[in-house]
Amino acid sequence: AQSVTQLGSHVSVSEGALVLLRCNYSSSVPPYLFWYVQYPNQGLQLLLKYTSAATLVKGINGFEAEFKKSETSFHLTKPSAHMSDAAEYFCAVSANTGRRALTFGSGTRLQVQP
Amino acid sequence: NAGVTQTPKFQVLKTGQSMTLQCAQDMNHEYMSWYRQDPGMGLRLIHYSVGAGITDQGEVPNGYNVSRSTTEDFPLRLLSAAPSQTSVYFCASSYSSPREGAFFGQGTRLTVV
Repeated sequence: AQSVTQLGSHVSVSEGALVLLRCNYSSSVPPYLFWYVQYPNQGLQLLLKYTSAATLVKGINGFEAEFKKSETSFHLTKPSAHMSDAAEYFCAVSANTGRRALTFGSGTRLQVQP
Repeated sequence: NAGVTQTPKFQVLKTGQSMTLQCAQDMNHEYMSWYRQDPGMGLRLIHYSVGAGITDQGEVPNGYNVSRSTTEDFPLRLLSAAPSQTSVYFCASSYSSPREGAFFGQGTRLTVV
């Protein structure tokens, strides 16, 4: 079984400030981890993924995430927020055994203040 | 590239009506799935398919049917719509390896009154 917990349903930052969105996972097998972004009235777009290569993963739009096995975490960061980053972000996990569908966290809505 | 195409984008149904949400992908992906998105709950898996002719249930399958007669298409059928099925529905497709993540359609916003 696998699950994802995203701490904070809403996060608000000022433009130019650090963005930190938290994700903790539970998985009985080595997981694959993903961050997706959803802009209003749109589908989900893949930001980045961890697939057991490098633990620090760089994605699109300046985002990155670090896989920490000891903390079962995969937090998403961006050094400097931009207004266009305002969206909902989802952390997801999948396993390479059994049912391989994505299991999503409940999402974090990022608000960027001018 | 079209990617994953869902139709319709919006739909209003009366309780008890049936309908089919369409999903098509042009990436020759083996794996397709349907999710529903509800506020504060993320996306929950309804049904999925690992290839033509093979489907299985996800977390919340009750009230929904699927079939996969071709690699490209994966329709979701609501047999008798209920207000609890008011949601945004997303279709996704992916390669057979779970390493790649999934490509999502634009969603269908369904309201059942």
